[in-house]
Amino acid sequence: KNEVEQSPQNLTAQEGEFITINCSYSVGISALHWLQQHPGGGIVSLFMLSSGKKKHGRLIATINIQEKHSSLHITASHPRDSAVYICAVPYSGGGADGLTFGKGTHLIIQP
Amino acid sequence: DGGITQSPKYLFRKEGQNVTLSCEQNLNHDAMYWYRQDPGQGLRLIYYSQIVNDFQKGDIAEGYSVSREKKESFPLTVTSAQKNPTAFYLCASSILSGTSLLRPHNEQFFGPGTRLTVL
Repeated sequence: KNEVEQSPQNLTAQEGEFITINCSYSVGISALHWLQQHPGGGIVSLFMLSSGKKKHGRLIATINIQEKHSSLHITASHPRDSAVYICAVPYSGGGADGLTFGKGTHLIIQP
Repeated sequence: DGGITQSPKYLFRKEGQNVTLSCEQNLNHDAMYWYRQDPGQGLRLIYYSQIVNDFQKGDIAEGYSVSREKKESFPLTVTSAQKNPTAFYLCASSILSGTSLLRPHNEQFFGPGTRLTVL
């Protein structure tokens, strides 16, 4: 079973700061997911990536398959970015047997 | 619009009662999943199903049961054997890996969740 470690667990920053959240996993994977969870509980998929880098608006996700590490960056952070960000990888590395999740990073962006 | 629905959003039950959480999807996905979330912990896999009439246990299946009689539906029953059932429950679905050239990996789509409180 894959194990996922995320850091930091909590992060408070000022509006406009550059944010980095890190994720490490133990077993080689087919793809890694970055998810966003708002206070109501609903989860939105931000990225699914298997190599290199992806960008969507102010969000950038990178992955290093050899080092089993991924980062999520937020540029020009805004209070509406405040949420829990979760990294997830396939339960056993690949296939459709579910995901293993990190504990999440609770991000607060202060105006 | 395609998506996943879970109902109800909030559910209260007395200790010792079984309760069934609904999950329906109209995305034509083959695979469906149930996860549980507790404060300070990552989501954990309860059960998953890759095809109708078949399902597999995840990490924390004890005290839970599921059925998959239809492709669109994957209800989860929290039985009285589940020692600590109060939690947030999330359902998800995905295509199976390798079944689409456009999406070779199992991107998962999540429902809005059901918050179960057992009194």
